[in-house]
Amino acid sequence: DAMVIQNPRYQVTQFGKPVTLSCSQTLNHNVMYWYQQKSSQAPKLLFHYYDKDFNNEADTPDNFQSRRPNTSFCFLDIRSPGLGDAAMYLCATSRDAGGPSYEQYFGPGTRLTVT
Amino acid sequence: AQTVTQSQPEMSVQEAETVTLSCTYDTSESDYYLFWYKQPPSRQMILVIRQEAYKQQNATENRFSVNFQKAAKSFSLKISDSQLGDAAMYFCAYRSAGYQLIWGAGTKLIIKP
Repeated sequence: DAMVIQNPRYQVTQFGKPVTLSCSQTLNHNVMYWYQQKSSQAPKLLFHYYDKDFNNEADTPDNFQSRRPNTSFCFLDIRSPGLGDAAMYLCATSRDAGGPSYEQYFGPGTRLTVT
Repeated sequence: AQTVTQSQPEMSVQEAETVTLSCTYDTSESDYYLFWYKQPPSRQMILVIRQEAYKQQNATENRFSVNFQKAAKSFSLKISDSQLGDAAMYFCAYRSAGYQLIWGAGTKLIIKP
């Protein structure tokens, strides 16, 4: 089945130790998104890629970076995780970024713990 | 700026009964899309139903239907014949022409057996 896959599902890192979360998709969608979701809250968009074009949200901390080496993969890098970065990180995709092709498909998420 | 409000942090319903989750939004746009997403505990977010603002007919998907009142800027979700698997956080979301989803705070739905 076509889907959005996130690895790992659970990640533990130490305060200040860089960590990378990965996302892959078999939907061949143009757009990939990274969200941060804290407990029982709505997801917060960090950034998205439209093809190779990177779009950062204005309030996303510099500590968060992303890479998209090809259509299928996208990575979230947290350069120096703080305790406040502990959250669920959701990857999503959509065929397009505007118009009717807007439906976002979500992965299962990676729960990040910072010790 | 657009906003989405879900005024019910938590709702509970007896299995097999009907429940309605409320959502209101504020926008000056005339063309937009509205969504209900479901997020079960420890499971991924899935789209339940969507509504295009230009369509007057309310969207339905099996046991899920919406009551879209454009003038009132209201978009409620009705779940009929509630099942245990419906227990989840439900998020209402809005999108206009761009990519950004504007999310409500969510409603936790509890199903009583």
